[in-house]
Amino acid sequence: QKEVEQNSGPLSVPEGAIASLNCTYSDRGSQSFFWYRQYSGKSPELIMFIYSNGDKEDGRFTAQLNKASQYVSLLIRDSQPSDSATYLCAGGGGSQGNLIFGKGTKLSVKP
Amino acid sequence: NAGVTQTPKFQVLKTGQSMTLQCAQDMNHNSMYWYRQDPGMGLRLIYYSASEGTTDKGEVPNGYNVSRLNKREFSLRLESAAPSQTSVYFCATWWAPPVNEQFFGPGTRLTVL
Repeated sequence: QKEVEQNSGPLSVPEGAIASLNCTYSDRGSQSFFWYRQYSGKSPELIMFIYSNGDKEDGRFTAQLNKASQYVSLLIRDSQPSDSATYLCAGGGGSQGNLIFGKGTKLSVKP
Repeated sequence: NAGVTQTPKFQVLKTGQSMTLQCAQDMNHNSMYWYRQDPGMGLRLIYYSASEGTTDKGEVPNGYNVSRLNKREFSLRLESAAPSQTSVYFCATWWAPPVNEQFFGPGTRLTVL
């Protein structure tokens, strides 16, 4: 059974702090990893994807991938109240694009 | 350019009733997906279609059928709705490597009484 696991939270951080979201996966064949943000009552939207070991930065967001440890993380610097949402980690890709999603981590950024 | 559209947005059914959820995309993507999302369960794949004319089961296909009518449209049918099918249903699309992003529609909130 291919699984992606996340801490469900809630994770609470003060405004301006760094939020760290973590994810582990069981399928060593997964090629790409994705972080989606989902606001309450809305559909998921992609923040970042990563497929190489190491770090990938985009603005305030940094994704980190460690394939040996089967671990993916998302760091959000200078967290804002608007970052309060559920963050979904997903792994997969391949020829048909199928993804396995984690259950999501709820992030709350307090002003 | 509407992206991915879903109809209806909300629906209430009685146990045993049938209905079809519609999904359409104008992005010319090959692959389309149906997910359900339940509290605390994340997104679970029901069915997917890698290309026009093909469909395959995902993680939770029981109680559902799908039709890939053409490249643009992918419908999900509940033949005899059950309370366990109360959920939020999302349609998503994906083009092909190296474009990795799945694009999601706005969702359909379904309640089965």
